[in-house]
Amino acid sequence: DQQVKQNSPSLSVQEGRISILNCDYTNSMFDYFLWYKKYPAEGPTFLISISSIKDKNEDGRFTVFLNKSAKHLSLHIVPSQPGDSAVYFCAASGETSGSRLTFGEGTQLTVNP
Amino acid sequence: GAGVSQSPSNKVTEKGKDVELRCDPISGHTALYWYRQSLGQGLEFLIYFQGNSAPDKSGLPSDRFSAERTGGSVSTLTIQRTQQEDSAVYLCASSFGGTSSGANVLTFGAGSRLTVL
Repeated sequence: DQQVKQNSPSLSVQEGRISILNCDYTNSMFDYFLWYKKYPAEGPTFLISISSIKDKNEDGRFTVFLNKSAKHLSLHIVPSQPGDSAVYFCAASGETSGSRLTFGEGTQLTVNP
Repeated sequence: GAGVSQSPSNKVTEKGKDVELRCDPISGHTALYWYRQSLGQGLEFLIYFQGNSAPDKSGLPSDRFSAERTGGSVSTLTIQRTQQEDSAVYLCASSFGGTSSGANVLTFGAGSRLTVL
């Protein structure tokens, strides 16, 4: 069963506009959520995270929003830049999984100049 | 080292052969993870080592897969009698482990791309 789902395999936006990537989860025991970015031929790199005690975390151009009642989180990138073009993975962990992360399928973001 | 190192970066093998993939985690990281990414798929958890505890092997897809972590550092993932469906990028990651939220921030290596012909 896919406990973390990213329903959009791809997203294309214009440079300078907002990118919104979405992620849904089913396991109510998840209490920590992360976003990773992956360029081709490289490993995923950590981008931003949020604990379940918060509903928003911001770091520069990146903001993650968490809606626990809907079991939904989103990553906002504003303004989007061509260098942001990559695959973005949503991940989650919880008390029962320790520090092991469960990943979504990823969303390919393309930012057009 | 400064990052997670994996070798080989690319491996092409024939169906039925055994392969070994190596991971050298970040010094001081007590937790080590193996994931794999098949073409067009997300990251699939394989196995997780935390300190001296018994590893969490719940993600290994079959008994052809095994992993060791020697001396709490370097890890080797072994795939016996490889099959074409084993073709994927095998990613290793490490973290500080423990129970703090920061323990969940995994640092990944660049991966080992395995192609089984």
